[in-house]
Amino acid sequence: EAGVTQSPTHLIKTRGQQATLRCSPISGHTSVYWYQQALGLGLQFLLWYDEGEERNRGNFPPRFSGRQFPNYSSELNVNALELEDSALYLCASSPDGPFNYGYTFGSGTRLTVV
Amino acid sequence: KQEVTQIPAALSVPEGENLVLNCSFTDSAIYNLQWFRQDPGKGLTSLLLIQSSQREQTSGRLNASLDKSSGRSTLYIAASQPGDSATYLCAVVTGTASKLTFGTGTRLQVTL
Repeated sequence: EAGVTQSPTHLIKTRGQQATLRCSPISGHTSVYWYQQALGLGLQFLLWYDEGEERNRGNFPPRFSGRQFPNYSSELNVNALELEDSALYLCASSPDGPFNYGYTFGSGTRLTVV
Repeated sequence: KQEVTQIPAALSVPEGENLVLNCSFTDSAIYNLQWFRQDPGKGLTSLLLIQSSQREQTSGRLNASLDKSSGRSTLYIAASQPGDSATYLCAVVTGTASKLTFGTGTRLQVTL
């Protein structure tokens, strides 16, 4: 069984540009979560998608957005990139929301803003 | 607001020692608690998941316990090995937050 896959592995962007990060959940998992891990900081919750809908959002500005596709894959978009957006972005999936089953994480996308 | 704290922040032990990592959370109304390990610059690997109705879970040399009423969990690692060196994170799901809230992590180094 394939795990959670994220692409690209690394991404370098210039301040002000837009970045798009992609995530494919484990087959059969309908929930996808996005987390940000900035250097030296903890994991901060960004977004939760389930069945194509945004279910919960962390304390991030609107320029962080995303969507979930009918096949349950997801993409995270970060507009108007700022230097402090440089971080490891982790995607996780679960079968049916956060309450009953654990999360499985991908290997992450390292975003560097220069 | 749920807050999760892990003690100690860093730990160095010689190979072969048994060790305990601690995790505490402020809101005891959790659905489950999960322990992860993270190697530098990498994603998270799930180690153990404990549902709120459970007291402990075991996997190989790892044993995690949960005392929901006191807001505490421990991860016990038996016969530590250099390959166990990583950052260990605990995380809880609380109903009001509908998300996984992570602890601050314990950086473990197992020396030869």
